[in-house]
Amino acid sequence: EDQVTQSPEALRLQEGESSSLNCSYTVSGLRGLFWYRQDPGKGPEFLFTLYSAGEEKEKERLKATLTKKESFLHITAPKPEDSATYLCAVQAGSSNTGKLIFGQGTTLQVKP
Amino acid sequence: SQTIHQWPATLVQPVGSPLSLECTVEGTSNPNLYWYRQAAGRGLQLLFYSVGIGQISSEVPQNLSASRPQDRQFILSSKKLLLSDSGFYLCAWSVMGSTEAFFGQGTRLTVV
Repeated sequence: EDQVTQSPEALRLQEGESSSLNCSYTVSGLRGLFWYRQDPGKGPEFLFTLYSAGEEKEKERLKATLTKKESFLHITAPKPEDSATYLCAVQAGSSNTGKLIFGQGTTLQVKP
Repeated sequence: SQTIHQWPATLVQPVGSPLSLECTVEGTSNPNLYWYRQAAGRGLQLLFYSVGIGQISSEVPQNLSASRPQDRQFILSSKKLLLSDSGFYLCAWSVMGSTEAFFGQGTRLTVV
């Protein structure tokens, strides 16, 4: 069964304190792995797509990496505005419909 | 550029009442369309997807139905709401053959 597990569930950081969020996945042929940011009461905002092991993508203070079993979202010198829930999702290779399987999310709080 | 509109933002409905949530996409043709539900403390769960007008696939058995009367319009409905239908409903779209999905701002449904 295709599955996505994110850890930790919640993470509190001081401003400037770098850290990483983890996304472990089990999928029958990975078509893509996705990171989204979700603010309270809002829809998820697309951040990155990773397609193959070894791939990396960066956007401002965020960097996403991918291995054959997991992905990391590295946050460098975070600011309070980075506080949000970060969602990881995968799309199985057998899917031609765009269906995404989501993890539970990691809620990040960055204190000034 | 493409945009997705979803309304209403919040809705409080009594048990047994009907439901209609609407989603429209602008700036693209023949998108794949999706309805997801996000329960408190849980990840997003795919409810329905559509690859074309009148083509609806259901992922989970439930009290809800979906329709796609026009290319860029997706509607989520229920004849009689249950308490368990409460949640955050998200509409999303993707380009046919692509992997990334883009989400609307969501509807918070509370059934009382």
